Amino acid sequence: EPEVTQTPSHQVTQMGQEVILRCVPISNHLYFYWYRQILGQKVEFLVSFYNNEISEKSEIFDDQFSVERPDGSNFTLKIRSTKLEDSAMYFCASNPGYANTGELFFGEGSRLTVL
Amino acid sequence: RKEVEQDPGPFNVPEGATVAFNCTYSNSASQSFFWYRQDCRKEPKLLMSVYSSGNEDGRFTAQLNRASQYISLLIRDSKLSDSATYLCVVKLTTSGTYKYIFGTGTRLKVLA
Repeated sequence: EPEVTQTPSHQVTQMGQEVILRCVPISNHLYFYWYRQILGQKVEFLVSFYNNEISEKSEIFDDQFSVERPDGSNFTLKIRSTKLEDSAMYFCASNPGYANTGELFFGEGSRLTVL
Repeated sequence: RKEVEQDPGPFNVPEGATVAFNCTYSNSASQSFFWYRQDCRKEPKLLMSVYSSGNEDGRFTAQLNRASQYISLLIRDSKLSDSATYLCVVKLTTSGTYKYIFGTGTRLKVLA
């Protein structure tokens, strides 16, 4: 069964360092998302991406964040200068974009720990 | 008012019990509705979509009331393995894309 894959599964970094989280969405999907979940809190929307551009972003997704799909398969989230409060689980998700159940398919997540 | 609101729980129920979770949403333009299950430190996984006529999948029944903007999930004959957080998710179309809004989740603990 096709699945969304994310790397790394866990990354520890020092405050102020740049981090890149990688995702490979399901191959025929058209809509891509990043969510984050701080431990014990709700799943929060960061950004959606369609047709090679950001379609929507939340207030959390400030200038420190960026996304790109450099090669048609990978979908990356970059945090330029990490803060302690960026420590969270980051989930990538994708959706086929055609008429179906409309569900989101999630990767297993990348846990980011900022020290 | 929160976009998607759920009682965070926890709901502690004995094995075999029936338990119901509720969810309300604020945007009347919401198009599709889902219940996801999330185990501790894992990704959310689709439990079931919620259809206007209501739908059932084994021990799980989902209901939607568009007029009241209310979604429910009923779990019958609870199993220990049902212990998890149940996320209410609402989908709408905005800015030419699909937006999925998550509730805070309701934590269920099924006790032996």
